[in-house]
Amino acid sequence: ETGVTQTPRHLVMGMTNKKSLKCEQHLGHNAMYWYKQSAKKPLELMFVYNFKEQTENNSVPSRFSPECPNSSHLFLHLHTLQPEDSALYLCASSQVYSGSGELFFGEGSRLTVL
Amino acid sequence: QQPVQSPQAVILREGEDAVINCSSSKALYSVHWYRQKHGEAPVFLMILLKGGEQKGHDKISASFNEKKQQSSLYLTASQLSYSGTYFCGTELNYGGSQGNLIFGKGTKLSVKP
Repeated sequence: ETGVTQTPRHLVMGMTNKKSLKCEQHLGHNAMYWYKQSAKKPLELMFVYNFKEQTENNSVPSRFSPECPNSSHLFLHLHTLQPEDSALYLCASSQVYSGSGELFFGEGSRLTVL
Repeated sequence: QQPVQSPQAVILREGEDAVINCSSSKALYSVHWYRQKHGEAPVFLMILLKGGEQKGHDKISASFNEKKQQSSLYLTASQLSYSGTYFCGTELNYGGSQGNLIFGKGTKLSVKP
């Protein structure tokens, strides 16, 4: 596989469920990101991991919990979400410090909270 | 801190030109441009660093006016494949983490035959 892959592509969950989104990058990059994309709103940066260390938490509610076990994998653990959390969650990777600055995005996980 | 993009939407005929602007109230280190087609991931177009350089490939180019903190994306002789939503992402400071971007709301471009 190449690029950035996200699973699942679609997820429907109740407000009391616990689920996780998975992202894997096959590009050898050293940074990974979670972005949220809602209808009619800009892409919102949620979390940044550089060299597996979290360097950014953009005031994200604690019901979203990221995990980065290694430089190729990134998870977003979800629990007790609200309907307004329904959105497209995009994972991205890049090579920081020595790269071009280009973000490579996955196709996203479409989340619906009932 | 969110950059402001204009226009919000534009409809073109094939072969027409378009300009999309991205303005910030803060001093910028860089501006990134991405295009997202419906149902697909955003795709990188180009990055411009402070210094006012202009970049381009094929018939899509961009400029960065450091004094105005504004970047413009130029689409020349538009093709059907140019349709999509264009986002600018801004970086205020170079921290090496070049993915810490603040994105605008996007400009929806539709190219008609």
